[in-house]
This record gives sequence, C-alpha cells and structure tokens, in this order.
Amino acid sequence: GAVVSQHPSRVICKSGTSVKIECRSLDFQATTMFWYRQFPKKSLMLMATSNEGSKATYEQGVEKDKFLINHASLTLSTLTVTSAHPEDSSFYICSAGLVNEQFFGPGTRLTVL
Amino acid sequence: LAKTTQPISMDSYEGQEVNITCSHNNIATNDYITWYQQFPSQGPRFIIQGYKTKVTNEVASLFIPADRKSSTLSLPRVSLSDTAVYYCLVGAAISGGYNKLIFGAGTRLAVHP
Repeated sequence: GAVVSQHPSRVICKSGTSVKIECRSLDFQATTMFWYRQFPKKSLMLMATSNEGSKATYEQGVEKDKFLINHASLTLSTLTVTSAHPEDSSFYICSAGLVNEQFFGPGTRLTVL
Repeated sequence: LAKTTQPISMDSYEGQEVNITCSHNNIATNDYITWYQQFPSQGPRFIIQGYKTKVTNEVASLFIPADRKSSTLSLPRVSLSDTAVYYCLVGAAISGGYNKLIFGAGTRLAVHP
C-alpha cells in the first residue's frame, strides 16, 4: 500500500520556540493531506486540511496563526507549531488521501518543556 | 458526517473471536463504513471497508445489516498483538480519500493470555 512518512518522529523543544513537522507521501502524489493531533488516551482530532497550492482549511477552534500549514508540493506538507507552549505537547499525525482511502503517517511526538 | 457510537472498551482472550459493533443511525446513502486500528504511538491503519452485507479480507470481516444503521467488525482468533484501539468511521468512499475523517472515541480492545 501507499506509504506516508513523518519527520521527525519525536521532538523536544523549549517553550517559545517553533517546530516544523514534515509529512511526505513516498510513492504517490497527494493533493490533499490532513493533520491531526492526539492527546494521551484520546481519539484523533482533525486540525486542518492541507491542499496543494492553496491555503489550508482549519477546523473550528484551531488557530491558523499558531499552526502554520504549507503544502508546497504534491508529496510534502509541513506543519509548523509557532511559539510552542507546554499545552501544545501532543502526538501529531498526518494522512494523505488516495482515491478511496487515507494513509496515515507514523506520527510525531512533540514535547514542549 | 454521520456520528458513530462504539463501546469504549472490550476485553478478550487469545484465540477467541471478537465482535465490535458500531452504531451509525444517520448514515447517508452514499456513505461507506471503514474501520481503522491504532497501536500506541502509531498512526491508524486501515482494516476493512464496506457498504452493505458482508466483506471479508485476510484480517477481519465486516457485517452490515440491510438498514446499515450499524456494523460489526469481527476479528477471528485474536492474539495479544490485536490489543489496540479500533475506530469505526462513516463517509463517502468515492473520493473518500480526499474527504476529512472525523474520528469517534474508538473501542479499546485488550487481549489477555
């Protein structure tokens, strides 16, 4: 099946710094990618839809200036958590759509100290 | 997007068959039912998808009654490695890969020796 990768797999940063997470579709082109966050023992929460060549669509309650999304190519979407704070610590997961199925990345564990 | 309801948790033993039922009373005519599996600190993995009656693949079966207001994921002869969270999602399969997925709470399955 199609493969989606994320980098880094885990990151620890100081409060106030920005962190960039990459999501790549390795063997297919993805015009649409999705970003989720997941807190411990909780379900995935959709943050935004990333569209290649256009602005991302954010879900209600998600700050677009806080979570910057760039989908510059058909195989890469990036999520930048700006001025990260401890409450942004979470597991961030991306997915890429291909016809009738979505393929999920392995996730990125962000810890903000 | 149709809302789904699943049991929060289930327990089973190795070698048993496990059936997880999902309710989706407001399913639309063009909606498909998809099940994902998620292990801790990993992205969700596609298990099976169906529209009506029964679908079977190498890992699971999906039973959907005629009214489609519910579905049952059946895992034959579970092993310890099947311990995971299982999510039932409802949405259009045609171009479904490009549609946002809204995850419910999922069912936490624990398989015991």
